[in-house]
Amino acid sequence: GENVEQHPSTLSVQEGDSAVIKCTYSDSASNYFPWYKQELGKRPQLIIDIRSNVGEKKDQRIAVTLNKTAKHFSLHITETQPEDSAVYFCAAGGLMEYGNKLVFGAGTILRVKS
Amino acid sequence: DSGVTQTPKHLITATGQRVTLRCSPRSGDLSVYWYQQSLDQGLQFLIQYYNGEERAKGNILERFSAQQFPDLHSELNLSSLELGDSALYFCASRAHEGIYTEAFFGQGTRLTVV
Repeated sequence: GENVEQHPSTLSVQEGDSAVIKCTYSDSASNYFPWYKQELGKRPQLIIDIRSNVGEKKDQRIAVTLNKTAKHFSLHITETQPEDSAVYFCAAGGLMEYGNKLVFGAGTILRVKS
Repeated sequence: DSGVTQTPKHLITATGQRVTLRCSPRSGDLSVYWYQQSLDQGLQFLIQYYNGEERAKGNILERFSAQQFPDLHSELNLSSLELGDSALYFCASRAHEGIYTEAFFGQGTRLTVV
């Protein structure tokens, strides 16, 4: 089945610096790659997603890039702020023979130091 | 509020026991996913249901089972509980089986097995 690896497991940055989180996936049939943010004690929430026919997508300080050939995608956060501190999960989705899988990576704990 | 409701929020039970976790998806959402979140393993995909039918399976133990009812709510049954089953269990719903639809998470049920 699909396997999604995420790195690093923890990331500390200074406020204002950039943060990059990387994921790789195993199933070449995956074609949807969302990123979720989970604040302490809360549910995961979608922050941005990208489809397989797109190489890059931006939303203000957040951007995702996708390299389908290499099967990896990344989350870039610029001008980090303390409120960006959270756990970030990447995921890979797509149709299986039956059903619609959505498999998550292990998560990255991002700490933004002010 | 994501519109996904999970009950109970907390559950403490003894080893060997059986529990049932309940999930009510967002109004109109047909697809329900169950995930287990342990401290060191991120969001582990367990199972997906669509309109009452099981559609996709992840790393779900044989001691665990789930179902989705005609009113679209779903239940996750965990039996012969072990200490290692202690975790946060999330359900998420998606509008339909479209590949690119956002998954909305409930607040989770924290299960503690003692």
